[in-house]
Amino acid sequence: KAGVTQTPRYLIKTRGQQVTLSCSPISGHRSVSWYQQTPGQGLQFLFEYFSETQRNKGNFPGRFSGRQFSNSRSEMNVSTLELGDSALYLCASSLAHTNNEQFFGPGTRLTVL
Amino acid sequence: DQQVKQNSPSLSVQEGRISILNCDYTNSMFDYFLWYKKYPAEGPTFLISISSIKDKNEDGRFTVFLNKSAKHLSLHIVPSQPGDSAVYFCAASDPGGGADGLTFGKGTHLIIQP
Repeated sequence: KAGVTQTPRYLIKTRGQQVTLSCSPISGHRSVSWYQQTPGQGLQFLFEYFSETQRNKGNFPGRFSGRQFSNSRSEMNVSTLELGDSALYLCASSLAHTNNEQFFGPGTRLTVL
Repeated sequence: DQQVKQNSPSLSVQEGRISILNCDYTNSMFDYFLWYKKYPAEGPTFLISISSIKDKNEDGRFTVFLNKSAKHLSLHIVPSQPGDSAVYFCAASDPGGGADGLTFGKGTHLIIQP
């Protein structure tokens, strides 16, 4: 079974731009969660999607948004990028709920200059 | 306010000895706990979990202990091997999934010395 895939793996943007990251969950998994990892803050929950609906949302500004498609693939978008958005963005999939074991993708390393 | 705390940013252990990684939490609603291991340039991988109805869960060299009254859990690795060198994250979830998904600690970098 293929694991969680994320594209692109690396991305460099400048302040004010926007970015879209993509995540393909493990086949059969319907829940996709996004996390931001920074050295100072560790792993922080962004949001979770299940059956194309945002089910949970972390404490991030509205510049961070996401969506999920009918095939469970998910995208997250960050608009008006700030230097502090530089981080590793991780996507995790699980069968139905974050309480289930979550499988993480390799992440997208975003650098904002 | 950090709800899941891993107070040791790093830990160095000799190969063959026991590694003990600690995690404290403040939210009494948490009832499911997980440990993840992360190598550089890779996403975290699930290691072991424990439900609050248990106080111990064992899987091979890995054992997780939960002390609900102290709001403390620990991960024991014995014997420690070089391949165990990684960052270990403790994570917690509340019964309804909560508004925060999984809440992670900041991680402990375990270094196994030969």
